[in-house]
Amino acid sequence: QQQVKQSPQSLIVQKGGISIINCAYENTAFDYFPWYQQFPGKGPALLIAIRPDVSEKKEGRFTISFNKSAKQFSLHIMDSQPGDSATYFCAASMDGSARQLTFGSGTQLTVLP
Amino acid sequence: DGGITQSPKYLFRKEGQNVTLSCEQNLNHDAMYWYRQDPGQGLRLIYYSQIVNDFQKGDIAEGYSVSREKKESFPLTVTSAQKNPTAFYLCASSISRQGKANVLTFGAGSRLTVL
Repeated sequence: QQQVKQSPQSLIVQKGGISIINCAYENTAFDYFPWYQQFPGKGPALLIAIRPDVSEKKEGRFTISFNKSAKQFSLHIMDSQPGDSATYFCAASMDGSARQLTFGSGTQLTVLP
Repeated sequence: DGGITQSPKYLFRKEGQNVTLSCEQNLNHDAMYWYRQDPGQGLRLIYYSQIVNDFQKGDIAEGYSVSREKKESFPLTVTSAQKNPTAFYLCASSISRQGKANVLTFGAGSRLTVL
């Protein structure tokens, strides 16, 4: 049973554009929503995370928007750069527990120069 | 530099053979994890360990085995019982703090191909 649905599977954006990746979850007990970034041949690394008590969190060009009532959250990458080209995974867990982390299926982002 | 070392980076196996993937961390993290990554399926948890000499099955443990004899090490054996072992395997670790967000630190991965 897939508890976190991620879309789109792949995304191509021009340099300077906005990249938007969406995730939806089913389990209302989830209370921690991280995004991981993975470059080819490497392991994922934490990019940004949010708790459901806020609707938005921004770190540099990366912003998470969170809609608790719709059970959806999204990653926005402003002024996308070729160096942002990577695979992005959303995830969700209860009590911030890593062992209960459920990952989305991933989005392969390509930013064209 | 602290981190997670996985080896080998690439591994080829014949059908019917067991193979062991190494994972070593020097982050002093209590918890360690093994994930399998397949295209379009995200990361799926194979096994995890919260403490030395103890480990728990994840979502897809069938055909795999692990051990945790040392805090720093968490090797994964892919046995011949695993029907479709070709995949990218990721080891991770985290501080285990109840009620706090546990950030995963990943290794660079091991790509296993069955010939």
